[in-house]
Amino acid sequence: EPEVTQTPSHQVTQMGQEVILRCVPISNHLYFYWYRQILGQKVEFLVSFYNNEISEKSEIFDDQFSVERPDGSNFTLKIRSTKLEDSAMYFCASSVGRSQETQYFGPGTRLLVL
Amino acid sequence: DAKTTQPTSMDCAEGRAANLPCNHSTISGNEYVYWYRQIHSQGPQYIIHGLKNNETNEMASLIITEDRKSSTLILPHATLRDTAVYYCIVRVGRNSGNTPLVFGKGTRLSVIA
Repeated sequence: EPEVTQTPSHQVTQMGQEVILRCVPISNHLYFYWYRQILGQKVEFLVSFYNNEISEKSEIFDDQFSVERPDGSNFTLKIRSTKLEDSAMYFCASSVGRSQETQYFGPGTRLLVL
Repeated sequence: DAKTTQPTSMDCAEGRAANLPCNHSTISGNEYVYWYRQIHSQGPQYIIHGLKNNETNEMASLIITEDRKSSTLILPHATLRDTAVYYCIVRVGRNSGNTPLVFGKGTRLSVIA
């Protein structure tokens, strides 16, 4: 069964460093998403992406964040200058298209900012 | 904010049916009810969704009341592996394929041997 994959599974970084989280969505999916979950808190939406541009973003997704689909398979989330409060699980998700709304999530990347 | 209300936690004996309620009294006519679960910080896993008819798949059944103001997710024979946080999410339906999911706190289901 096709699934969303994410790398790395864990990332430790120093405050102020740039990190790139990678996702490979399900191959025939057209919509891509990033969510995050701070330890013990709710899963929060960050951004959605379609047709090589951002469709929607939340207040969390500020100028420190960016997304990109650099090739036909990867979808990345970049945090330019990490802060301690960026420590969280980051989940990528994808869905087929406008008439199929079910989003399928990857296993997540646990980011720890020291 | 989430448009749903769920109990914080529930217990269920292994092998018994787990019935997880959800209130969504402000649901609109074009909004679907989705259920996801999250097992110990793994990625949320899709379970089932419906608009107004009851739905069943290999994982669960979804019963939606006639007025659509509440629903129940039924796991017919709960196993220890079903221990997870279950999220009921109301979401705008078709032609809104990229509508974000708004997660609440969900119900923590503990299946007990």
